[in-house]
Amino acid sequence: SQQGEEDPQALSIQEGENATMNCSYKTSINNLQWYRQNSGRGLVHLILIRSNEREKHSGRLRVTLDTSKKSSSLLITASRAADTASYFCATDARYGNNRLAFGKGNQVVVIP
Amino acid sequence: DAGVIQSPRHEVTEMGQEVTLRCKPISGHNSLFWYRQTMMRGLELLIYFNNNVPIDDSGMPEDRFSAKMPNASFSTLKIQPSEPRDSAVYFCASSPSGGGGYTFGSGTRLTVV
Repeated sequence: SQQGEEDPQALSIQEGENATMNCSYKTSINNLQWYRQNSGRGLVHLILIRSNEREKHSGRLRVTLDTSKKSSSLLITASRAADTASYFCATDARYGNNRLAFGKGNQVVVIP
Repeated sequence: DAGVIQSPRHEVTEMGQEVTLRCKPISGHNSLFWYRQTMMRGLELLIYFNNNVPIDDSGMPEDRFSAKMPNASFSTLKIQPSEPRDSAVYFCASSPSGGGGYTFGSGTRLTVV
């Protein structure tokens, strides 16, 4: 598959700790995006990083992209209970032209 | 903007019945996508419209599935006849042309019994 694949699948952490998720892909991309999905809801776009960027920040989120290793990581710092959700990475590698393929998702549980 | 609006939120139907899912994208977004989410397969792209025109429907699983976008503010996904294996959450998403993040609707949870 050419779509993103997150690792690990499930993560349980204490509030205040950092959470890191990884994503790999198999072909060249234009950009890579991370989304959050709360239970029973739609996906929410968090951050987009372009293939010529190496790192991007948004609030408590930090995303890195290593195109030589075809991988990305999402770091959530100082986690909160409200960060409990599934996190997906998505790339346009599989379909191209702004069509995203999503990975299977990481479930993150933040324990208060 | 109220975001991407999908209806209904939940649909329970009997096998063999026709099901129509509806989506109103964000005004000004030129691209519209229908995805299906299941535990087994994750998120699958079913069909992609650009400027109301279907560009790629290769993800539509069978001829029982069809999608239309008669204008820039409305799209439908129809399943006829429905089968139990169609049970899933169906999401509509829109994005501006030229790439960028998607805005997803809240989804329609379809149960076919």
